[in-house]
Amino acid sequence: GAVVSQHPSRVICKSGTSVKIECRSLDFQATTMFWYRQFPKQSLMLMATSNEGSKATYEQGVEKDKFLINHASLTLSTLTVTSAHPEDSSFYICSAEGDSYNEQFFGPGTRLTVL
Amino acid sequence: GDSVTQMEGPVTLSEEAFLTINCTYTATGYPSLFWYVQYPGEGLQLLLKATKADDKGSNKGFEATYRKETTSFHLEKGSVQVSDSAVYFCALSDLSGGSNYKLTFGKGTLLTVNP
Repeated sequence: GAVVSQHPSRVICKSGTSVKIECRSLDFQATTMFWYRQFPKQSLMLMATSNEGSKATYEQGVEKDKFLINHASLTLSTLTVTSAHPEDSSFYICSAEGDSYNEQFFGPGTRLTVL
Repeated sequence: GDSVTQMEGPVTLSEEAFLTINCTYTATGYPSLFWYVQYPGEGLQLLLKATKADDKGSNKGFEATYRKETTSFHLEKGSVQVSDSAVYFCALSDLSGGSNYKLTFGKGTLLTVNP
């Protein structure tokens, strides 16, 4: 149990386009989902925390208008990178937490490359 | 604020060698402590955790003991295998500030085990 999936696993896009990444909890209801960004050979940086049905809480320095997060249901959260640029290229990882769990479960990550 | 400091790698060992990866933390409250493992190209997987002082987390031959007096949570394994090659992250979660299980990660330690 407690499986989290992400789609797509890899995406390549042109500069200026928008990319949507989905994060799903497959076998539990995720009351809270987290979005992280990981640069090569570095740790995970928390970007935002989202609770189902409410606006996401962004960490300091993360642009809300650039990284749009929607948590419309208890099993799905989406991260949209708007007007992507090469510096947005990174590994994006989501995690989910449910009421009956005391830990976060991580998705496999999405590799975004912006040309 | 909360922080996690872990031994910088990379660490290279021969198969069956003893492994220690040091991790120390600072936190305002009474955190839970975690070790996550990230295999190449994948997301994070929880390796083990401890929720209170003197607890020992263990899994797959790995162990770590929550030492409040030294604010440490060092990861150990008596005999590593090639399949243990991965990046290991130490992390903490501190609820005292109402952080809702928000995780703070160390920078990660790359372990390579050679046959």
